Amino acid sequence: EIVLTQSPGTLSLSPGERATLSCRASQSVSSTYLAWYQQKPGQAPRLLIYGASFRATAIPDRFSGSGSGTDFTLTISRLEPEDFAVYYCQQYGSSPPTFGQGTKVEIK
Amino acid sequence: QVQLVQSGTEVKKPGASVKVACKASGYTFSDYHIHWVRQAPGQGLEWMGWINPNSGGTNYAQKFQGWVTMTRDTSINTAYMELNRLASDDTAVYYCATEGRLGESFFDYWGQGTLVTVSS
Repeated sequence: EIVLTQSPGTLSLSPGERATLSCRASQSVSSTYLAWYQQKPGQAPRLLIYGASFRATAIPDRFSGSGSGTDFTLTISRLEPEDFAVYYCQQYGSSPPTFGQGTKVEIK
Repeated sequence: QVQLVQSGTEVKKPGASVKVACKASGYTFSDYHIHWVRQAPGQGLEWMGWINPNSGGTNYAQKFQGWVTMTRDTSINTAYMELNRLASDDTAVYYCATEGRLGESFFDYWGQGTLVTVSS
């Protein structure tokens, strides 16, 4: 199965700053089948990005995804207070679908 | 609007089984696979498998084969996940989710989660 490694484990930033989150796969993710989710405490994950770069419905344009092959990035252009959360990447190009271990974006 | 509503919190003893329900509304139930994902306390997300509500066909993660059973009742638009021989490390929140596109296992709608606690 494909192992996804996210970095950093924790990102300490201030509102208004730019956040760059990395997701590296142990082998190439076919067809850029890579998604990103946001999860807040006590809530289910929320889909942000699919197909590596397509925003899900109602996701603000400050969230963007990029990458292909084994290296993917989620960028939050200007952090809003509600963006402080844990972010997971997930590949679905090969079975089983697998998730990264998460990156926590916390208020500095 | 699409909604997945799951059954409530469960407390089970080691060795018991648990069956979690996921009731779907707001879309055609048979059109999209229902997946199950679990999350142990303070941990990440683990995919367990999916069920095709139309055919009843299933695909389980290798780890859960012989141990999990996914079923559905199309008359009430509900999917079920049953996990047997529970152990303490099965304590987790169990989520159902729909796939974003048929055959593409990213998850756009999620249930609220069901906490299953396994304790003697």
